[in-house]
Amino acid sequence: ETGVTQTPRHLVMGMTNKKSLKCEQHLGHNAMYWYKQSAKKPLELMFVYNFKEQTENNSVPSRFSPECPNSSHLFLHLHTLQPEDSALYLCASSRGQGIGNTEAFFGQGTRLTVV
Amino acid sequence: AQKITQTQPGMFVQEKEAVTLDCTYDTSDQSYGLFWYKQPSSGEMIFLIYQGSYDEQNATEGRYSLNFQKARKSANLVISASQLGDSAMYFCAMREVYGQNFVFGPGTRLSALP
Repeated sequence: ETGVTQTPRHLVMGMTNKKSLKCEQHLGHNAMYWYKQSAKKPLELMFVYNFKEQTENNSVPSRFSPECPNSSHLFLHLHTLQPEDSALYLCASSRGQGIGNTEAFFGQGTRLTVV
Repeated sequence: AQKITQTQPGMFVQEKEAVTLDCTYDTSDQSYGLFWYKQPSSGEMIFLIYQGSYDEQNATEGRYSLNFQKARKSANLVISASQLGDSAMYFCAMREVYGQNFVFGPGTRLSALP
């Protein structure tokens, strides 16, 4: 399998639940990202990992907890979410820093609904 | 700080016609890349085209071309010979060469009409 794969594609969870989103890339990239896309808002960067190290936490509430065990896998652990956290969560990977085309490849997203 | 502006919330295009989607950007860096993505209703972000800040030629990829005007800090996407399948959200994005973050604009919803 190639590209960036996200599971699950859809998730409905209660505010007291704990769930995890998974992202996997088979592109040999060293940078991985979590973005949040809410209705009528631009994509919001949440976290960036480079060579498994978190390099960016864009003031994300602690109820979102990322984990990057290796350069190919990225998780987003969810705990005690709020209804306003309902959104499309997109994972992406890229070659990292450098000159030239370093486009981000995106997964298909997890559409999360918090009830 | 980086910023991307897309001033057209929605656009219509007749099938087989060309359409231009606007994008302006702001950065203090000299080295950066500009990207366009397409997001159909399924949600996946599909990479379309890339332009480097030092590229002298405008980028082209099939029916997509990027009208890059560095002095004006604009990177407009031109879609030629539009098809019904072009209906989607289109996002302009930027990344500084020595940074890691992709900054996205608010997007333009394109609707192709038969």
